[in-house]
Amino acid sequence: AQRVTQPEKLLSVFKGAPVELKCNYSYSGSPELFWYVQYSRQRLQLLLRHISRESIKGFTADLNKGETSFHLKKPFAQEEDSAMYYCALSETSGSRLTFGEGTQLTVNP
Amino acid sequence: DSGVTQTPKHLITATGQRVTLRCSPRSGDLSVYWYQQSLDQGLQFLIQYYNGEERAKGNILERFSAQQFPDLHSELNLSSLELGDSALYFCASSPTPRGTDTQYFGPGTRLTVL
Repeated sequence: AQRVTQPEKLLSVFKGAPVELKCNYSYSGSPELFWYVQYSRQRLQLLLRHISRESIKGFTADLNKGETSFHLKKPFAQEEDSAMYYCALSETSGSRLTFGEGTQLTVNP
Repeated sequence: DSGVTQTPKHLITATGQRVTLRCSPRSGDLSVYWYQQSLDQGLQFLIQYYNGEERAKGNILERFSAQQFPDLHSELNLSSLELGDSALYFCASSPTPRGTDTQYFGPGTRLTVL
């Protein structure tokens, strides 16, 4: 069965500092991986997905199949990045999303 | 705005009762998903419909059921409610049931069972 692990429940950084939110997965096939963000009291929004390999709001994520990881990175954090971040996986053939536990990112001024 | 709408926003009810949550997908999306977000279980997939047919089932209790109507809106029915059913229920939609599709989420319905 697939599983997504986000080892940090809480992450706090200062504005302008680099940030990395970790995500590890276990899945026997070729997964589709996503990062979703949930700002305070708002709906889940797609931040990025590995298949598109694009950078959104300065965030990037690289799929490392050898380490089964999909860490989210941003070189210079902004206060508006404070939110809950979820890593999610879906099978290529199916589409249910398996979510990690989430990481609450706080960017301090 | 993702275009997925959910009603009601909030629902407060008592144990043993039955409620219905409603979801309208984005225009053109045929696939609808239901997720439950609770403090102890996190975000969990419940069930998926595609063009009116059940497509996949996750950790959905037997007390819960869902359907997708010909106009593609979906309803999640929760019965014999227990305190532990209190959670945020999200609906999401995508154009197809493929795993490569992005799922777009609604604002959620917050259910409180007293």
